[in-house]
Amino acid sequence: GAVVSQHPSWVICKSGTSVKIECRSLDFQATTMFWYRQFPKQSLMLMATSNEGSKATYEQGVEKDKFLINHASLTLSTLTVTSAHPEDSSFYICSATTRGQETQYFGPGTRLLVL
Amino acid sequence: GESVGLHLPTLSVQEGDNSIINCAYSNSASDYFIWYKQESGKGPQFIIDIRSNMDKRQGQRVTVLLNKTVKHLSLQIAATQPGDSAVYFCAENGVAGNQFYFGTGTSLTVIP
Repeated sequence: GAVVSQHPSWVICKSGTSVKIECRSLDFQATTMFWYRQFPKQSLMLMATSNEGSKATYEQGVEKDKFLINHASLTLSTLTVTSAHPEDSSFYICSATTRGQETQYFGPGTRLLVL
Repeated sequence: GESVGLHLPTLSVQEGDNSIINCAYSNSASDYFIWYKQESGKGPQFIIDIRSNMDKRQGQRVTVLLNKTVKHLSLQIAATQPGDSAVYFCAENGVAGNQFYFGTGTSLTVIP
């Protein structure tokens, strides 16, 4: 149980384009989803927290207009990197929790390369 | 966010030996901690958790120790196996309670 998937696994795009990453909870209702970014050999950095049906709460320093998060259902959250630039290249990981539980279950991550 | 952990250390152990991975956290109000294992190119995998009202919790081959006085966590892996090679992160719950902040991680290499 508690499986989280992400799609796509890899994405390569040209600078200036937008990329959408999906995060799905496969066997539970994810009342809260989290988006992280991880650079090579570094830790996970929390970008934003989203509760189903509400606007995402962004961490300090994360541009909400650049990283659009939608959590429209209890099983799906999307992260759209708008007008991506090479410095946005990173490993993006989502996680999910369900109501009443604190443990976060992570997706396999999406590697984004912006050329 | 809160600061958990310092630089990224590395640890090499012989197969069969015990491993101890350490983590410092900064928020004395944190009351829930998790250890995650991350293999290369994959998302973090839950290993074990502990609440602040405990100082020790055991799982299968793993033990987490919590010292709130010095804000220190450790993960002990018994009889380390090659499959244990990964980066290990500790995470603490944030001020809001449902957010987690990760330490920089420790890279564990098991030598066959």
